Amino acid sequence: GAGVSQSPSNKVTEKGKDVELRCDPISGHTALYWYRQRLGQGLEFLIYFQGNSAPDKSGLPSDRFSAERTGESVSTLTIQRTQQEDSAVYLCASSLVSGGVSNQPQHFGDGTRLSIL
Amino acid sequence: GEDVEQSLFLSVREGDSSVINCTYTDSSSTYLYWYKQEPGAGLQLLTYIFSNMDMKQDQRLTVLLNKKDKHLSLRIADTQTGDSAIYFCAKKQDPDKLIFGTGTRLQVFP
Repeated sequence: GAGVSQSPSNKVTEKGKDVELRCDPISGHTALYWYRQRLGQGLEFLIYFQGNSAPDKSGLPSDRFSAERTGESVSTLTIQRTQQEDSAVYLCASSLVSGGVSNQPQHFGDGTRLSIL
Repeated sequence: GEDVEQSLFLSVREGDSSVINCTYTDSSSTYLYWYKQEPGAGLQLLTYIFSNMDMKQDQRLTVLLNKKDKHLSLRIADTQTGDSAIYFCAKKQDPDKLIFGTGTRLQVFP
């Protein structure tokens, strides 16, 4: 079946512009996560959605970052007034359920490489 | 907060075993994962272990967990050039975040 799909795969934009990144999770996955990967670094958690619960936004680095999710499907990550330090790969992941002792591994998309000029 | 650390580089000869190490700070019971990232791609889940286990083997992969030392390792037997990639260890943090190490770049040479 299809994996996690992200678009666009690459995005180049000028400083100060807004960008919108899209994630299509695996069908049936209730949990969805966004991470940021700066060049040569590990992944930083940004936000996650679980069903109809309020999202955990604790990783968003500033109020220029926001994310939405429609039900248990598509999610968009929006960065307003982009800065050069926003340049990174933005990775989306999904899993069947969230939390608890049960293990439901996160499956990742290929990411969107964002470059701010 | 939780901190996960890895060495940055590892270079091995094809056919040898590779051992990638990871240390963490929080000893709470949870899952620990190994992911592989090839150039321009997302993360591929390789294997995982729950913190009440000491070892898990899956074909060429062996995960060892030393809870006392908070040390996790991934051993790849008979390393091939196709194993060249960045390997991330990650620790699940309640409720469901993953805390990642900085990644270890494995280079396999003939």
